[in-house]
Amino acid sequence: AQSVAQPEDQVNVAEGNPLTVKCTYSVSGNPYLFWYVQYPNRGLQFLLKYITGDNLVKGSYGFEAEFNKSQTSFHLKKPSALVSDSALYFCAVRGPYGNNRLAFGKGNQVVVIP
Amino acid sequence: NAGVTQTPKFQVLKTGQSMTLQCAQDMNHEYMSWYRQDPGMGLRLIHYSVGAGITDQGEVPNGYNVSRSTTEDFPLRLLSAAPSQTSVYFCASSQGVGAEAFFGQGTRLTVV
Repeated sequence: AQSVAQPEDQVNVAEGNPLTVKCTYSVSGNPYLFWYVQYPNRGLQFLLKYITGDNLVKGSYGFEAEFNKSQTSFHLKKPSALVSDSALYFCAVRGPYGNNRLAFGKGNQVVVIP
Repeated sequence: NAGVTQTPKFQVLKTGQSMTLQCAQDMNHEYMSWYRQDPGMGLRLIHYSVGAGITDQGEVPNGYNVSRSTTEDFPLRLLSAAPSQTSVYFCASSQGVGAEAFFGQGTRLTVV
């Protein structure tokens, strides 16, 4: 079964500094990888995905993520963090076979300090 | 577009009561899922459906029932509510294995 690990519970970063949120995954076959963001008392919003092709994918709000097959990682990055980026971030993976189960990590709370 | 609509947004139940959480999508998506979100545990899959008439269990299906009679609707039934089912519930839909999921705004359920 597919699974995701997000090793850090909280990431603190100063405004203007680079932001990285880590994600590693486990799945049989080639993965479909996703990042979502959740603001307080809201549903999850899609940020970006990797299906195939270029290992660096760009998404909404200036976020990007790098797929690394050898390290089974899909880290989320933003060159310059904003206070408004403070939110809960989820990595998710889906396998290519059989059912359409989307497995989520536990989430990372990102706090951007002014 | 309405997207994915969940009702109600808030609900308080007494232990042993039953209720149905409603989920509807207007995007003609094949895949629909129910998750629960608990602090420190991320989102856990309860049940999912790959099309009308087809449902399957996720990670934490006990105490919940689903059916999918139409493409648009995917209700989640709590058969006999327990305090352990206090959580925030999210419905999601997507079209295809490589497609992103769209989420509803969630239902905050408290069982007392």
